[in-house]
Amino acid sequence: DVKVTQSSRYLVKRTGEKVFLECVQDMDHENMFWYRQDPGLGLRLIYFSYDVKMKEKGDIPEGYSVSREKKERFSLILESASTNQTSMYLCASSSRGYEQYFGPGTRLTVT
Amino acid sequence: EDQVTQSPEALRLQEGESSSLNCSYTVSGLRGLFWYRQDPGKGPEFLFTLYSAGEEKEKERLKATLTKKESFLHITAPKPEDSATYLCAVSDTGNQFYFGTGTSLTVIP
Repeated sequence: DVKVTQSSRYLVKRTGEKVFLECVQDMDHENMFWYRQDPGLGLRLIYFSYDVKMKEKGDIPEGYSVSREKKERFSLILESASTNQTSMYLCASSSRGYEQYFGPGTRLTVT
Repeated sequence: EDQVTQSPEALRLQEGESSSLNCSYTVSGLRGLFWYRQDPGKGPEFLFTLYSAGEEKEKERLKATLTKKESFLHITAPKPEDSATYLCAVSDTGNQFYFGTGTSLTVIP
């Protein structure tokens, strides 16, 4: 079974803090993705990565950065958290062009 | 332009009342069409992949079909535990993914 794990299920941070969200997959997938999901807006792609040390901007990259130093691990960084980044964050992985497998999600609240 | 459109946005069914969810897409060069189930507060759970028109996949009370323009997720004799949001996604030959906004299904006992 494919397994995608995320470092936290719930996180509460203060405005201006630096936030790290980590994602690990165990299927040797090349592709990894970070999304945020908000009511009425669906899944929105923040960043994705096709390979180690590779990254591509998605639809809403502003205020975020990513790191992929190892194939199985993809980190999302909020450089200076703001209240409008309160959201559900979802990590996914896939083989090229094929179905994505999602982690359980991190519910981030920025106060 | 929307690449993936799902309808209806919300659907309420009585237990045992069969129905279908629709996913229409406009990408050129379809690589795959994917269905997911998402429970509140959780990540989407992969259900099916369909690759070509005419293909069908089944799992318990769910059956997914694919044409050149759309896919249907048929739910036969649903139970309350089938209540969830069902997401559709497509990938194209350029390895781009597009997700719909989902259909929220409620099955009433």
